[in-house]
Amino acid sequence: DIQMTQSPSSLSASVGDRVTITCRASQGIRNDLGWYQQKPGKAPKRLIYAASSLQSGVPSRFSGSGSGTEFTLTISSLQPEDFATYYCLQHNNYPYSFGQGTKLEIK
Amino acid sequence: QVQLQESGPGLVKPSETLSLTCTVSGGSVSSGSYYWSWIRQPPGKGLEWIGYIYYSGSTNYNSSLKSRVTISVDTSKNQFSLKLSSVTAADTAVYYCARDSAVTGPFDSWGQGTLVTVSS
Repeated sequence: DIQMTQSPSSLSASVGDRVTITCRASQGIRNDLGWYQQKPGKAPKRLIYAASSLQSGVPSRFSGSGSGTEFTLTISSLQPEDFATYYCLQHNNYPYSFGQGTKLEIK
Repeated sequence: QVQLQESGPGLVKPSETLSLTCTVSGGSVSSGSYYWSWIRQPPGKGLEWIGYIYYSGSTNYNSSLKSRVTISVDTSKNQFSLKLSSVTAADTAVYYCARDSAVTGPFDSWGQGTLVTVSS
């Protein structure tokens, strides 16, 4: 099974900051990776698919990059509504596997 | 805009079978462009993919749960279902159904989730 390791596990930042979250795969997964945002008590919401494609309706301050084993999610200028937990997901191999999550908190 | 809604008992006894249904509206489970998945999240923890089904009935399950999981589809009702047998307290979680696009990948639409507690 492919292991997905996210870093950091938690992050404190301020409104307006630029933030980067990293996800590493235990083996190459091409660009078969998505990023999801989850707010407390809510279902996750997809932000990015195919590593770098922005989901329709998602603000352009979110971007994704990477291929192979290392991927990043960047939020260019944090907004109050962005404080949430973020997960990566690989779907190159079964079983699909999520990273452990990155909790983004207000500084 | 597709919508997914989970339904089923919120409390299941240990050793029994958890059964949930996901009703799809605004789209069709018979569409060849999508797979239909179940995902779960124990309280305060991360997400785990359980498995998916295609409209044809073909399935793929997480190996960690494979011996206990059955996912089925009812195209006449536009629903798909999850059965998880021999449950323990470790199966207590919020269970989500979600759509997996054959074009853009998993999971572009989600249900709101339903909490299932395993307790006597």
